[in-house]
Amino acid sequence: GQQVMQIPQYQHVQEGEDFTTYCNSSTTLSNIQWYKQRPGGHPVFLIQLVKSGEVKKQKRLTFQFGEAKKNSSLHITATQTTDVGTYFCAGQGNTNAGKSTFGDGTTLTVKP
Amino acid sequence: DAGITQSPRHKVTETGTPVTLRCHQTENHRYMYWYRQDPGHGLRLIHYSYGVKDTDKGEVSDGYSVSRSKTEDFLLTLESATSSQTSVYFCAIRAGMGGYTFGSGTRLTVV
Repeated sequence: GQQVMQIPQYQHVQEGEDFTTYCNSSTTLSNIQWYKQRPGGHPVFLIQLVKSGEVKKQKRLTFQFGEAKKNSSLHITATQTTDVGTYFCAGQGNTNAGKSTFGDGTTLTVKP
Repeated sequence: DAGITQSPRHKVTETGTPVTLRCHQTENHRYMYWYRQDPGHGLRLIHYSYGVKDTDKGEVSDGYSVSRSKTEDFLLTLESATSSQTSVYFCAIRAGMGGYTFGSGTRLTVV
């Protein structure tokens, strides 16, 4: 079945440093979504990418979808303590009838 | 998030007992999902529903059953709870092919 790998598993940064998490799928995706989960909370939808090579920005967050639609990345510029949490990608295949497969997430900690 | 609630929020139960978790939505969405989250495993799909009385298995469905008799309610049942089912359970809804909206979760401990 479809597999979605996410790296790194953990990332510790100093406040102000940049952060990137990468997501790779074993199969071509129809779309990929990104979520943020604060400690003790539930995942919250951030964005969905659909087009090959798509790049979207949300303030300090930049999301990219690869040309082959098999990989994606989330980049945070100048991290802040409010960025702390676990970031998940979720990929939907072309024949998955609405189901997405989640990566295991990257947990970001930010030292002030 | 507004529009989706899970109950109970916390539950401790004994091995071998049946447990039912409830998910309720007010958004009238067709698709509803049950996930479990364990350290190191991210979110894994247990069962999902694409309409009243229409359900299907996810990747970790063994030991779980679901029912959806009304659009707004999606129930997850552990027929005979085991310690391996200790987890955080999230319900989610989805509007078409957009993002998932998750409930606040149920923390289940099987002792």
